[in-house]
Amino acid sequence: GNSVTQMEGPVTLSEEAFLTINCTYTATGYPSLFWYVQYPGEGLQLLLKATKADDKGSNKGFEATYRKETTSFHLEKGSVQVSDSAVYFCALSGLAGGTSYGKLTFGQGTILTVHP
Amino acid sequence: DSGVTQTPKHLITATGQRVTLRCSPRSGDLSVYWYQQSLDQGLQFLIHYYNGEERAKGNILERFSAQQFPDLHSELNLSSLELGDSALYFCASSVASGVSYEQYFGPGTRLTVT
Repeated sequence: GNSVTQMEGPVTLSEEAFLTINCTYTATGYPSLFWYVQYPGEGLQLLLKATKADDKGSNKGFEATYRKETTSFHLEKGSVQVSDSAVYFCALSGLAGGTSYGKLTFGQGTILTVHP
Repeated sequence: DSGVTQTPKHLITATGQRVTLRCSPRSGDLSVYWYQQSLDQGLQFLIHYYNGEERAKGNILERFSAQQFPDLHSELNLSSLELGDSALYFCASSVASGVSYEQYFGPGTRLTVT
């Protein structure tokens, strides 16, 4: 079946540092890939997405490129802010036995803390 | 604000009881998904409805059931509750049913079973 693996956290950075959160996936066919962010006490917010190989999703300074050859979708940001502190989830949407069209399979989440 | 609403925000109940969680999707969205978030299992897909019809089931217990009504709101019913059912329950909506459609999440219902 489909699966998503994220780098283990938590990740602690100083403000303006470079961020990378690794995400790799296993899926049949051609899934769509997503990054969601969850702030404390809130629901998940879509951060960015990519629907085909070599697509780059970007939003709010974050970006991730769909790499089919390495089955990866790593999240990057050049300069993090304290307000970026949250939990980040990598997810995929794809076929799994033809019965789960559209459902999201999530990674375990990575806690990011940014200090001033 | 995603436009997806969930009620109640918090629910505390005892083992063996039954509860109903409600979700209203974004205006115009036909698909509703339910997910459970717990510390040990992470985020798990439960069930998907599209325009009133069940489309897919995930790791949903037989004690749990759901439906989507003609006005497109959805309810998740949890019965014979156990301590292990304590979790955050999210619903998400999307405009259609497909791999590339992004899902928008509600704020969640935190269920505590005592």
